[in-house]
Amino acid sequence: AQSVTQLGSHVSVSEGALVLLRCNYSSSVPPYLFWYVQYPNQGLQLLLKYTSAATLVKGINGFEAEFKKSETSFHLTKPSAHMSDAAEYFCAVSEPGGYQKVTFGTGTKLQVIP
Amino acid sequence: GAVVSQHPSWVICKSGTSVKIECRSLDFQATTMFWYRQFPKQSLMLMATSNEGSKATYEQGVEKDKFLINHASLTLSTLTVTSAHPEDSSFYICSASASGGATGTQYFGPGTRLTVL
Repeated sequence: AQSVTQLGSHVSVSEGALVLLRCNYSSSVPPYLFWYVQYPNQGLQLLLKYTSAATLVKGINGFEAEFKKSETSFHLTKPSAHMSDAAEYFCAVSEPGGYQKVTFGTGTKLQVIP
Repeated sequence: GAVVSQHPSWVICKSGTSVKIECRSLDFQATTMFWYRQFPKQSLMLMATSNEGSKATYEQGVEKDKFLINHASLTLSTLTVTSAHPEDSSFYICSASASGGATGTQYFGPGTRLTVL
C-alpha cells in the first residue's frame, strides 16, 4: 500500500523568502513521486515528478524537489517566493508498473505575504 | 503538450436530473482516464479508472449505477451523474494518462463544478 503525508495544511511565507513544503511517502516498492499545484476552481498542474532517475528534480516555475530514500521524503522547495505561487500544492505517489493508482496527499495551502 | 479539457466547466441542475461531463485529451491518446471528486478544502478522491473500450473500475464506496463512466475512444471519457441529488454537488476532475505512460503521470482537466439544487 502507498500513502503520502503532507505536513502542514497551511504554510505562510513572505514574498522573496524560501518556500519549503514537506512531503513524506510510504511505499512497498521504489515509488514514483509527483508534486501538483492547484489554483482556485481549477484542475491540477504537474510541477515536477521523480521516476527513479536523478534524485534532485527541477520543475516549472522555479520549483524543485529532492528524493531522499533514507528519509522517505520528497520535499518541495523554491528559493524565492512570488505572489503568484499562492495556491494549493499536492504531493502524490504511485508505484511503477503501468497505470497504477496515484495516491494524493491532503494538500498544503501556500500563502505568500507581500 | 498533454492538454486535457473538460466540459462543462460548471453546471447547475435540479434534483433528480442527470448530468454528463466530458473529458477530452486534446493532443495525445489516453488509454486510461481517471475521475476524481474533490470536496471543499480537501484532497482528490479517486472515483474510478477507465480504460478505452472496457468497463470502468470503481473505487470502494462509489456507486457504479449512479456515476456512469464511458470511455469510448482514446481521447474521450464521459461521466454521467444519474438522478443527481444535492449531496452530489462537488468539483469533479478528470485526468488522463498517455498511452504507454508507465511513469504514472496524469494530466488533469480544469474540473467541473456541479451544483444540484
